[in-house]
Amino acid sequence: RKEVEQDPGPFNVPEGATVAFNCTYSNSASQSFFWYRQDCRKEPKLLMSVYSSGNEDGRFTAQLNRASQYISLLIRDSKLSDSATYLCVVNSAQGGKLIFGQGTELSVKP
Amino acid sequence: GAVVSQHPSRVICKSGTSVKIECRSLDFQATTMFWYRQFPKKSLMLMATSNEGSKATYEQGVEKDKFLINHASLTLSTLTVTSAHPEDSSFYICSARTLRGDSPLHFGNGTRLTVT
Repeated sequence: RKEVEQDPGPFNVPEGATVAFNCTYSNSASQSFFWYRQDCRKEPKLLMSVYSSGNEDGRFTAQLNRASQYISLLIRDSKLSDSATYLCVVNSAQGGKLIFGQGTELSVKP
Repeated sequence: GAVVSQHPSRVICKSGTSVKIECRSLDFQATTMFWYRQFPKKSLMLMATSNEGSKATYEQGVEKDKFLINHASLTLSTLTVTSAHPEDSSFYICSARTLRGDSPLHFGNGTRLTVT
C-alpha cells in the first residue's frame, strides 16, 4: 500500500464549479500535512498547510480527519487558472521526510 | 518567503558524462535539503536527504555512487549524476526547509535533464 494515495483524476469541471480532492495516508504517526500545486513542467508550490481543526484560504478549504487518516481539499468557484495537479503531502514520522501522493489533475474548462 | 534557487534549469548531455546540479537556499539556512526526481505524469520520488556537514541518506533503490550528494554549507547542496545514461533523463527537484522540522518544503525550480 502506498504511503499517500490520491485519486489521479483527471477531474474536468466547468468554471464556477466546486471540486473536492481526497487523500489517504497510511502512517498514523504522521504529524503535518500539506497541499501543493504543480503546474505542467514546473516545480510544486505550497498551496496550504492542513490543520487539525480545518482551515480555509479564500476559495480553498482543507480538512484533516486523523481517525480515518484522510485529508481533503475543496475548491469553490473554480477558475481557469486553478487547472493544475494537486499534490497531497504528508510529513513522514521518520526524519521529517515529506511523502507525496501521485497527484490529482484538475482541468477547469470555460 | 523562503526562496530556493536551483541551477541549471535545463541540461542536455551525452551518455557517460557527469552532470552537477546546484541547490541554494537564498534567504535562509537549510540544515536539511531533499532531492526528488519526477518522471512524466508521475509523482515526486524522494531520492535522498542531504544533511549539512554529514553524509546524505539515500532512499531504497537509489545508488549513492551514481547520485553523489554534497552539502558543504548551510545554503548549498549539490547533486552530481555520474556517468549519466538515457534512463537518468528526468526532472530533478531540490527542496529545503527552514530549521523547523515540521515546516513545509520550499522547492527549487527544478532541472530537466536529458541524456542522449
